[in-house]
Amino acid sequence: GDSVTQMEGPVTLSEEAFLTINCTYTATGYPSLFWYVQYPGEGLQLLLKATKADDKGSNKGFEATYRKETTSFHLEKGSVQVSDSAVYFCALKAPGGGNKLTFGTGTQLKVEL
Amino acid sequence: DADVTQTPRNRITKTGKRIMLECSQTKGHDRMYWYRQDPGLGLRLIYYSFDVKDINKGEISDGYSVSRQAQAKFSLSLESAIPNQTALYFCATGTGFNRNTGELFFGEGSRLTVL
Repeated sequence: GDSVTQMEGPVTLSEEAFLTINCTYTATGYPSLFWYVQYPGEGLQLLLKATKADDKGSNKGFEATYRKETTSFHLEKGSVQVSDSAVYFCALKAPGGGNKLTFGTGTQLKVEL
Repeated sequence: DADVTQTPRNRITKTGKRIMLECSQTKGHDRMYWYRQDPGLGLRLIYYSFDVKDINKGEISDGYSVSRQAQAKFSLSLESAIPNQTALYFCATGTGFNRNTGELFFGEGSRLTVL
């Protein structure tokens, strides 16, 4: 079945450091890919998405590129801030699967001054 | 006010008790979901509903039941709670009009502890 694998956390960075959170997936066909973010005490919210190969999703300085050849959707940000501290979830939606999402296990990011 | 509201936000109960978690939404979405979040396991789908007359099991539905009382309301019940149902539960909504985007809108979560 479909699955999403994320790098384990927590990831601890200093402010203004470069961030990469790895995400790879297994799915049939061409899924849509997502990054959701969960700030402390809140529900998840969509950060960015890509619906086809080579698409780049971007939002709030974060980017991720849909790589079909490596089945990856790595999240990057050039300069993190303390306010980026949160848990980040990679997710996929299989073609024709309605809004049903398969989530990764989440990666906690801690950004320190 | 939040678009997706869950009640209660926190609940402590004992083994064997019946518990209901409620979810209501003002987004006008037709699709509603219940997820469970556990440390190291991410989010897992319990049940989902595409409209009032449509209820579907997710990957971990055993021990749970749901009711879609109206388009805006979707409740999750634990008929006889057990300790391994201790978790953070999320309700989410989505719309069929954006079926190709997969975007879900989440509530703030209901933390359930079963002693």
